[in-house]
Amino acid sequence: DTAVSQTPKYLVTQMGNDKSIKCEQNLGHDTMYWYKQDSKKFLKIMFSYNNKELIINETVPNRFSPKSPDKAHLNLHINSLELGDSAVYFCASSPGRSTSGANVLTFGAGSRLTVL
Amino acid sequence: KQEVTQIPAALSVPEGENLVLNCSFTDSAIYNLQWFRQDPGKGLTSLLLIQSSQREQTSGRLNASLDKSSGRSTLYIAASQPGDSATYLCAVRNYGQNFVFGPGTRLSVLP
Repeated sequence: DTAVSQTPKYLVTQMGNDKSIKCEQNLGHDTMYWYKQDSKKFLKIMFSYNNKELIINETVPNRFSPKSPDKAHLNLHINSLELGDSAVYFCASSPGRSTSGANVLTFGAGSRLTVL
Repeated sequence: KQEVTQIPAALSVPEGENLVLNCSFTDSAIYNLQWFRQDPGKGLTSLLLIQSSQREQTSGRLNASLDKSSGRSTLYIAASQPGDSATYLCAVRNYGQNFVFGPGTRLSVLP
């Protein structure tokens, strides 16, 4: 039973399109995150959500918007895709608020986005 | 602003060797530090989490140490196996902040 699952695993699309990546966790965690891993393998946080409340947004363009229908889901929607958006996007979750507690991060397998 | 570096960027060792991976961070006022493993095309798997009050954590053949004052952590892998081949990342969290990741060390254990 996968703890943090993301779909799709691969996504190839044209510049200018709008796309979404879905994430679900069955761990009962309170906080979910989206990370971006670029071609140089640097992993940087994009968003974290706690109980449907966005608590951190790290200088991400407003073309990116997280949507959380409930505590177990955090979807990433991207408008007007650009070439530079090509990367692997990882969803993660942790038990408590993102900035407190002994928060062990649990990651999904990643979604590789390629913008042509 | 916290910055995390990892040395070496890549490491290749013969099977059975003991090895050490290094992680350095610039802001020593950390809350905790976590080591991850990433296999090619896969997500990250948590290996060890060290709280700021701890000096080390052990899990099987892995031992992670933390020296806050010098801004360093090491991941020691004993009796390495080909299955240990992966990229190892450390991530540091300061109070009130999210984890900041290092660039990783790519480990190859040769049979």
